[in-house]
Amino acid sequence: ETGVTQSPTHLIKTRGQQVTLRCSSQSGHNTVSWYQQALGQGPQFIFQYYREEENGRGNFPPRFSGLQFPNYSSELNVNALELDDSALYLCASSLAPSNHEQFFGPGTRLTVL
Amino acid sequence: DQQVKQNSPSLSVQEGRISILNCDYTNSMFDYFLWYKKYPAEGPTFLISISSIKDKNEDGRFTVFLNKSAKHLSLHIVPSQPGDSAVYFCAASGDSGGYQKVTFGTGTKLQVIP
Repeated sequence: ETGVTQSPTHLIKTRGQQVTLRCSSQSGHNTVSWYQQALGQGPQFIFQYYREEENGRGNFPPRFSGLQFPNYSSELNVNALELDDSALYLCASSLAPSNHEQFFGPGTRLTVL
Repeated sequence: DQQVKQNSPSLSVQEGRISILNCDYTNSMFDYFLWYKKYPAEGPTFLISISSIKDKNEDGRFTVFLNKSAKHLSLHIVPSQPGDSAVYFCAASGDSGGYQKVTFGTGTKLQVIP
């Protein structure tokens, strides 16, 4: 059974640029959620994807967008990067949107200069 | 609005003793409560959960207690081992219109001293 994987591991961007982060869900999981974890904070829910559509969204602006593909993998896109976007971005997969148990990937550390 | 709060940023415990990690929440609509463990450079790992209709759930050395009237839950680790040293996140889950939205606390860093 393959776990959740994310790429890249680390990324450095400058303010105003755009970034794409990728996630492969655990085998058999059709639901992917994305979280932002700032330093010293807990993960904050960005959005969830199910059946290739956004299924729910947290308090994040529209410049945070995503995609889910037929194989359930997902992308997180952030446009017009701001310094405060520097954080660890975590992807989590679950068996279904109604399932509270989520399995996390190792995260992508994004630094915005 | 911090709906899930972990007021202790850190905790040190001697190996073999009990570790008690605490968590408070404000939203009475949460229906599941979870604990995750996180090692450096890894994603959070699910540890144990409890339904809002129960007051205790046990899994080996880990027990979670839920006090709904006080909106408080705790994680007990007995006996504590050095490998338990990690950041522990309390989380709460509730239906948000067709999906379970999970809200995390800020974490408690546990250090188990050999």
